[in-house]
Amino acid sequence: AQSVTQLDSQVPVFEEAPVELRCNYSSSVSVYLFWYVQYPNQGLQLLLKYLSGSTLVKGINGFEAEFNKSQTSFHLRKPSVHISDTAEYFCAVHWMNRDDKIIFGKGTRLHILP
Amino acid sequence: DTEVTQTPKHLVMGMTNKKSLKCEQHMGHRAMYWYKQKAKKPPELMFVYSYEKLSINESVPSRFSPECPNSSLLNLHLHALQPEDSALYLCASSSPGSNYGYTFGSGTRLTVV
Repeated sequence: AQSVTQLDSQVPVFEEAPVELRCNYSSSVSVYLFWYVQYPNQGLQLLLKYLSGSTLVKGINGFEAEFNKSQTSFHLRKPSVHISDTAEYFCAVHWMNRDDKIIFGKGTRLHILP
Repeated sequence: DTEVTQTPKHLVMGMTNKKSLKCEQHMGHRAMYWYKQKAKKPPELMFVYSYEKLSINESVPSRFSPECPNSSLLNLHLHALQPEDSALYLCASSSPGSNYGYTFGSGTRLTVV
């Protein structure tokens, strides 16, 4: 079965420190990959996406992610986090042989420590 | 206009009430979605409309009834809900078959009492 795994339910990190949020997916076919952010009491906002081409993808708010096909991973990184980055982060995958829908991981709560 | 607008933002309803959630987009997207999100959980897909036709129903109880009156509007009619239906209901849109991801609305926070 196709699945998306976010290995960490919660990640605490000090302000201005780097962070990596991990995402792995099952794969038997090509995929499109996405990271969404959800701030408290809000909807989801697209941070970045990987469709094809360069494996390093840059998104909004200083985030980037790297697609690794051999490891079926799409980890999200930021070199220096701010208090405003406190949010829930969801990895999402669209398998190209599926209906027009994407599957979300369980989410990772990024907790910025002062 | 690059937004998905959902109304109301908050809704409290009794178990015998009938209410509707509304979603609107003017990006020319022809696929629209309803998701349900419980606290500290990822969004769960409920319905997909593609070109105003229901294409996916994820075995949602009949007390939830979607409607897509035109390419810009998506409604979710609610009747005889249960307290466990309390959640954030998110609407999203996309271009069918595209790879651009979804645009989400801010959601309706529903509380069933």
